Amino acid sequence: EVQLVESGGGLVQPGGSLRLSCAASGFTFSNYWMSWVRQAPGKGLEWVANIKQDGTEKYYVDSVKGRFTITRDNAKNSLYLQMYSLRAEDTAVYYCARTDASIWSFDYWGPGTLVTVSS
Amino acid sequence: DIQMTQSPSTLSASVGDRVTITCRASQSISSWLAWYQQKPGKAPKLLIYKASSLESGVPSRFSGSGSGTEFTLTISSLQPDDFATYYCQQYNYYPLTFGGGTKVEIK
Repeated sequence: EVQLVESGGGLVQPGGSLRLSCAASGFTFSNYWMSWVRQAPGKGLEWVANIKQDGTEKYYVDSVKGRFTITRDNAKNSLYLQMYSLRAEDTAVYYCARTDASIWSFDYWGPGTLVTVSS
Repeated sequence: DIQMTQSPSTLSASVGDRVTITCRASQSISSWLAWYQQKPGKAPKLLIYKASSLESGVPSRFSGSGSGTEFTLTISSLQPDDFATYYCQQYNYYPLTFGGGTKVEIK
C-alpha cells in the first residue's frame, strides 16, 4: 500500500525557517517525481515545487523561489522541503504528493502537515 | 502562468442529479488536465487524468471530457459520498496550476 506521511510542520515566526519531511513507503520511491502542494486555510490548492526521480531537475512556483528548496534522499525514501524567510502567506497545510510521470498527475497524497507563520 | 477558471464556484444539487463542472484554461493545455475531489480535512483524491481517463478505483459515474482550453467533469448520478470540493489542474506548463475549486453542496 502506498503511504506518504508528512512531518515537521508547526508554528514559526515570520522570517523563520522550517524543514518538512515526507516519508514514503509501499512503492519504489526512486522511480517517481515527487511534489509539494499547499493549501492555505479555507483556500484552494497551490503547487509549490517538484523534483525529478534523481534530483537533477527541480521546479518551483515563483512565490517561493529563492526561499524554499526541495530535495530527496532515495536511500531513505524521503522527500524534504526546506523553507526559509517564511511569511504569513506561507501559512498552509503542506501535502507531499507522488507524481506518476506517465499520466502527469498527483496520484497519491499524504495527509498533510500544517505550517503556521505568525508572531 | 496558465490560469485555470472553474465554474460554478458552488453548486447545489440533489442525490441522483447529473452534475457538470467546467474548467477553462487561459491557453491550450492539450489534454494535460486532471480532476481531484477533496473532502473537508482530507487530502485531495485523483479522479480523472489526461482529461478523460478514469483513475483506478474511481466509480464510473465520474467522467471527464475536453481538450485545448475547455474541460468538463460530469457526475452522472450524484451520490451522498460525492458532496465535496472538486479541483481541476493543468500539467502542461510550469508553474503547475489548479482551478479555484467547485463546492458541490446538498440542495
